[in-house]
Amino acid sequence: EPEVTQTPSHQVTQMGQEVILRCVPISNHLYFYWYRQILGQKVEFLVSFYNNEISEKSEIFDDQFSVERPDGSNFTLKIRSTKLEDSAMYFCVTNLGAGRGSYNEQFFGPGTRLTVL
Amino acid sequence: KQEVTQIPAALSVPEGENLVLNCSFTDSAIYNLQWFRQDPGKGLTSLLLIQSSQREQTSGRLNASLDKSSGRSTLYIAASQPGDSATYLCAVRPGTGANSKLTFGKGITLSVRP
Repeated sequence: EPEVTQTPSHQVTQMGQEVILRCVPISNHLYFYWYRQILGQKVEFLVSFYNNEISEKSEIFDDQFSVERPDGSNFTLKIRSTKLEDSAMYFCVTNLGAGRGSYNEQFFGPGTRLTVL
Repeated sequence: KQEVTQIPAALSVPEGENLVLNCSFTDSAIYNLQWFRQDPGKGLTSLLLIQSSQREQTSGRLNASLDKSSGRSTLYIAASQPGDSATYLCAVRPGTGANSKLTFGKGITLSVRP
């Protein structure tokens, strides 16, 4: 069964450093998202991406964050200058898109645990 | 703003018991609702997805129902097993956008005792 993959599984970084989290979506999926989950808290939406541009973003997704799909396969989340409060599990999510018989089921990757020291 | 609530936060039951997990949401204008399972330190696995026009969905020992007008969904687990121990999350997608974001509840951590 096709699945979303993410690398690395765990990233440790110093405060102020840049990190790039990578995701390989399911091959025919068209919509891509990043969510995060701070330990003990709700899963929260960061950003959605379609047709090579951001379609929606949350208040969390400020200028320190960016997303891109540089080569048509990998989907990346960059945090320019990490803060302690960025420590969380980051999930890449993809779906096929409405009207394609999928009912828009969202498929989660296994996550990247980011630890900012 | 949509709020999703799951109560209680934790539940412990003996093996074999049938159980119901509840989810409520404040804005009934939803596109669909999805139940997920999360094992400790892991990602989310989709269990069931219910469209706003549907009343329930079934998969094996799991049955999810949706009452959109009252803002409620339930996940029924039949004949619970220790392997069902996990956190169960409910998430809703707004009716305004078929591909827009999910809003999650905090989850119910289920422990099934052998």
